[in-house]
Amino acid sequence: EAGVTQFPSHSVIEKGQTVTLRCDPISGHDNLYWYRRVMGKEIKFLLHFVKESKQDESGMPNNRFLAERTGGTYSTLKVQPAELEDSGVYFCASSSFLQGAKGNEKLFFGSGTQLSVL
Amino acid sequence: GDSVTQMEGPVTLSEEAFLTINCTYTATGYPSLFWYVQYPGEGLQLLLKATKADDKGSNKGFEATYRKETTSFHLEKGSVQVSDSAVYFCALSDQASGSARQLTFGSGTQLTVLP
Repeated sequence: EAGVTQFPSHSVIEKGQTVTLRCDPISGHDNLYWYRRVMGKEIKFLLHFVKESKQDESGMPNNRFLAERTGGTYSTLKVQPAELEDSGVYFCASSSFLQGAKGNEKLFFGSGTQLSVL
Repeated sequence: GDSVTQMEGPVTLSEEAFLTINCTYTATGYPSLFWYVQYPGEGLQLLLKATKADDKGSNKGFEATYRKETTSFHLEKGSVQVSDSAVYFCALSDQASGSARQLTFGSGTQLTVLP
């Protein structure tokens, strides 16, 4: 079974440009999460999709970030325009509602996209 | 709000040495606690977890005990191997939050094990 896949693995862009990150969750997983790790610090929650709906976007830093999950399959995270402080590693994770109660839900993470804004 | 404070790294050990990575937390509810590991070039993987006080999570020789009285979840391994070299993240999930898996992570600890 394929795991969570993220594209690209690395992206280097200039300040002011636009970048789109993609996440393909495990097939059949309704939950999809975006996290990011900035400057080697803690990994922070960005948002949570349940199928195509945004369940919780309280972690989105500002309106330069736009996440979509059309059709409830893959998701994109667009940063427009990118700023220097957006540099970091962006992780995607997915899980299935069928795994039971909250305490037993298991997240599967992708290997992340390293974004560098110069 | 919730927070996780993790031992600063990097940590460098010789093979077969004893490992402890400290983790303490602050949470308003009754959190579940986790250790995730990221090996070079790979995604985060769940290493172990504990869902209530005094629970001990264990996997691959690693252990951590949920200590409510000290709000801690320290990671230990009696004898590390070179293959354990990775970044380790302590995390919590607060059941009181709206999202079942809105994890709060620590800053990560880079472990390097030398042969």
